[in-house]
Amino acid sequence: AQSVAQPEDQVNVAEGNPLTVKCTYSVSGNPYLFWYVQYPNRGLQFLLKYITGDNLVKGSYGFEAEFNKSQTSFHLKKPSALVSDSALYFCAVSDNTGFQKLVFGTGTRLLVSP
Amino acid sequence: EAQVTQNPRYLITVTGKKLTVTCSQNMNHEYMSWYRQDPGLGLRQIYYSMNVEVTDKGDVPEGYKVSRKEKRNFPLILESPSPNQTSLYFCASSPLGPEDTQYFGPGTRLTVL
Repeated sequence: AQSVAQPEDQVNVAEGNPLTVKCTYSVSGNPYLFWYVQYPNRGLQFLLKYITGDNLVKGSYGFEAEFNKSQTSFHLKKPSALVSDSALYFCAVSDNTGFQKLVFGTGTRLLVSP
Repeated sequence: EAQVTQNPRYLITVTGKKLTVTCSQNMNHEYMSWYRQDPGLGLRQIYYSMNVEVTDKGDVPEGYKVSRKEKRNFPLILESPSPNQTSLYFCASSPLGPEDTQYFGPGTRLTVL
């Protein structure tokens, strides 16, 4: 069965500093990994995904994520945080074994201070 | 405009009164799913559908029903709502399956008294 862990409920960072939001996963086959963002009172928006290929994936709004197979991780990163990046971030995983479920993590709230 | 719509956006109801939350997408997507979002628990998948007349249980299907009679619509039915179904519900769709980017609706906030 697939599972996702986001070990931090909240991440605090000052504007202009780099940020990292952590995600680890467990799947049976090859993973399909996603990051979504939820702004207050809004639905979820797609940020980026890893299916295959380059381990460093670039996405929307300057975000990127690094796939690490040996550590089963897919951490979200941004070189320079903006106050407007403050939101709730979800990691999600499915795989290529035929199970058609998509499993989300519990979410990490990112707070960027001015 | 390509979108997923949900109705109603807000609903307050009482225990046992059947309700339906509608979901519709205009992108000709094959895969549709329902999630509930609860504090500290993230998003949990309730049901999903790979195509018309093909539905399957997610991780938390108890107390919910779905149907997929048309490709664009995927209603969520609560036959006898209970207070533990108070939650924020999201419908999502994608072109083929969970390996694709999901497009989410705006959410339905349900309160069961």
